[in-house]
Amino acid sequence: AQSVSQHNHHVILSEAASLELGCNYSYGGTVNLFWYVQYPGQHLQLLLKYFSGDPLVKGIKGFEAEFIKSKFSFNLRKPSVQWSDTAEYFCAVTLYNTDKLIFGTGTRLQVFP
Amino acid sequence: GAVVSQHPSRVICKSGTSVKIECRSLDFQATTMFWYRQFPKKSLMLMATSNEGSKATYEQGVEKDKFLINHASLTLSTLTVTSAHPEDSSFYICSARKEVNQPQHFGDGTRLSIL
Repeated sequence: AQSVSQHNHHVILSEAASLELGCNYSYGGTVNLFWYVQYPGQHLQLLLKYFSGDPLVKGIKGFEAEFIKSKFSFNLRKPSVQWSDTAEYFCAVTLYNTDKLIFGTGTRLQVFP
Repeated sequence: GAVVSQHPSRVICKSGTSVKIECRSLDFQATTMFWYRQFPKKSLMLMATSNEGSKATYEQGVEKDKFLINHASLTLSTLTVTSAHPEDSSFYICSARKEVNQPQHFGDGTRLSIL
């Protein structure tokens, strides 16, 4: 069965540190890839998505992610985090032309001033 | 744009009660809505996919008679947990999207606690 793995369950950083959150998926076919963020007390929001084209995707709030097909990975990065980036981050995948979102278990990011 | 409203945000009720949760797309028409369940420290698990005007498609292991889904219009889907028991206590989240290959937009979720 298809699955999504997020290796970092809890990440703690100081402001201005660089961030990379890992995401790997298991499926050999074409996929659409997403990163969602859930700020404390709020709903899930789309950070960025990859459907096709340039494998380096830029999202909101300075986040970017790189799709490396050979590694089945879609890692999320930000060069310099802020306290306001404290949130839960979810990687998700849909198989091409389907609706079913398969989520990773999430990574809790805490940023200290 | 693309706001999804979910109501109620929290409900506490006795065992055996049926509970209805509403999911509305406020500023767009959602041809498809989705219902997820999230356990503590676990990922969101898709329960069912709901297309307007047709029967919902349930994921394996989800009891369709237990979790009744209705999608009567392009802006409203409801999830009814029938004869709820403590093991049904969870965080339920809905999402909606306009078309295939468009991102899903999520509601705030409903915390259901069955005593």
